[in-house]
Parts: sequence; C-alpha cells; structure tokens
Amino acid sequence: GAVVSQHPSWVICKSGTSVKIECRSLDFQATTMFWYRQFPKQSLMLMATSNEGSKATYEQGVEKDKFLINHASLTLSTLTVTSAHPEDSSFYICSARRTGRGTEAFFGQGTRLTVV
Amino acid sequence: KNQVEQSPQSLIILEGKNCTLQCNYTVSPFSNLRWYKQDTGRGPVSLTIMTFSENTKSNGRYTATLDADTKQSSLHITASQLSDSASYICVVSARMNYGGSQGNLIFGKGTKLSVKP
Repeated sequence: GAVVSQHPSWVICKSGTSVKIECRSLDFQATTMFWYRQFPKQSLMLMATSNEGSKATYEQGVEKDKFLINHASLTLSTLTVTSAHPEDSSFYICSARRTGRGTEAFFGQGTRLTVV
Repeated sequence: KNQVEQSPQSLIILEGKNCTLQCNYTVSPFSNLRWYKQDTGRGPVSLTIMTFSENTKSNGRYTATLDADTKQSSLHITASQLSDSASYICVVSARMNYGGSQGNLIFGKGTKLSVKP
C-alpha cells in the first residue's frame, strides 16, 4: 500500500512551452501533497504544499505564477511548469500524506524535466 | 538554524561488508527522524522513521539508531548487496505549532553509497 505515482517519468520540452506533471496517490487519499525539486547532487528542496480544494502554499523564492499547482481531488495533484526555461531543468518529486494519518509521507518516483 | 548534516558524503564498500552512515542534526523542536533510500533518478523510499523515544529501529538489513540527547543518528547496513548502491538521505521533522502541514522537513544532502562486487 501507500503508492504514489508520478507521470511522466521524464520529459523533454522546448524553451517557452509548458509542461504538466501529475502526482497520484494510487491506494490512499491524500489531502496534502508536496512538490520538491532536486538538482544534481543536492538535497530535495520543498517548492510548495498542495492542499485539496484550496490554493497551494509556496516556499519563499518559488514563483507561483510559473509553477502552477492544482489539487482538484484527494488523489491527484498537478504541477505545471509554465514558459519553461533551461534553468528549470531538474528532477521534480512529489510526496503525498495520507489523510488523517500523521506526518508520514510517501514519495513518487520523480520526473526528470529537460528544457532545450 | 535547523540543519541536517550527513557523513560521509560518499562511500565505496565491497559487497558483503557492513557500513555505517552518520547524521547529525540541529533541529528543534524535534518531531521525528527518517532515513530514506534514493536510487538514481528515482524518488526516495522510506527505510525507517523514529520518534524522540525510540533508540533503534530495524528494517531487514538496515538498522537505524537515534540519540536524541546528542542529536545524532546512524544507519547501519549489514551484509551489503549491489542493490544497496544508492543515496541515503536523513530527514528530520520539526514539530510545527499548527496542523495541516507535513511539519517542517529538513533534508540532509545524502550519502552516496557504492557497493562494488
């Protein structure tokens, strides 16, 4: 149990286009999901906290208009990188916390984004 | 400042050998400490989670220890296998004063373990 699936696993897009990444909790409901970015040889950095049915909370320095987050259901959150630039190339990881089950969170397998 | 420091940064061992990874933290107020295994190009997978009152926790060949007084944790891997090659990340959760959050997770930079045949 407690499987979190991200799609796609990797994506290459042209500079200026938008890319959507999906995060699904397959066998549990997740009121809260989290989006991270990880650069090579660096630790995960929290970008935003996504709450079902409400606006996401962004960490300092993360542009909310560039990284659009939608959490329309208890099992799905999406991250859209708008007007992507090469510096947005990174490994994006989501995690989901079971509704009402403490702070344990489960990570997706990550999405490698390359902007050319 | 809440920080998590891991050592060594990287480690190479021979298959079948044991190894110990270290994690020191300065997170307060402390909630829990987790060890994750992250394969290259994959998301982290939880190995252990320990609260303040727990000193040790095992998960197969992985044994984590926690000394809340000295704010140190270790992850011991027994009889290493080639599949143990990965980054091991120590994550400390700070207790938040409000609900609806994952708590404040502070990530270490990880120890990259390479197990050679």
